[in-house]
Amino acid sequence: EIVLTQSPGTLSLSPGERATLSCRASQSVGASYLAWFQQKPGQAPRLLIYGASNRATGIPDRFSGSGSGTDFTLTISRLEPEDFAVYYCQQYGSSPWTFGQGTKVEVK
Amino acid sequence: EVQLVQSGAEVKKPGESLRISCKGSGYRFTSYWINWVRQMPGKGLEWMGTIDPSDSHTNYSPSFQGHVTISADKSISTAYLQWNSLKASDTAVYYCARHFSDYVMDVWGQGTTVPVSS
Repeated sequence: EIVLTQSPGTLSLSPGERATLSCRASQSVGASYLAWFQQKPGQAPRLLIYGASNRATGIPDRFSGSGSGTDFTLTISRLEPEDFAVYYCQQYGSSPWTFGQGTKVEVK
Repeated sequence: EVQLVQSGAEVKKPGESLRISCKGSGYRFTSYWINWVRQMPGKGLEWMGTIDPSDSHTNYSPSFQGHVTISADKSISTAYLQWNSLKASDTAVYYCARHFSDYVMDVWGQGTTVPVSS
């Protein structure tokens, strides 16, 4: 199975700053079948990015995804107060689908 | 409005059986697969398996194969996740999520909390 490793584990930033989250796969993710989810405490995950770089419906353009093969990045250009949460990457190119362990973006 | 609405929290003892549900509305239920995802307390997300409600074809993660059963009743637009004998280690929140032919899990249920304790 494909193992996804996210870094850093925790990112401490202030509102207005730029956040860069990394997701590295143990083998190539076919056809860039890589998604990013946001999860807030007590809530279900919310789809942000699919196909490595496509924003889901209703997602603000401050969120962007990039990468291919084994290295992927989620960038939040300017953090808003509602963006402090845990972010997961997920690959759906090879069964079993797998998630990274998550990156927590917290207020500095 | 497209929604997946899950059944309520269940408190269970080890060895008991359980079936939780996920009802789809606002879209053609048989056009989307339903996935189940586990989140243990304070931990990350784990994909358990998926079902095509149109023909009940399933695909399980090896980590969950044989321990849970995924099923669906397309006549009532509902998918299920079932255990025959719960363990304390099954304590978690379970989410359902749909995907289309592009495999993207775009809509999620609100989650069902399952505490298992003697």
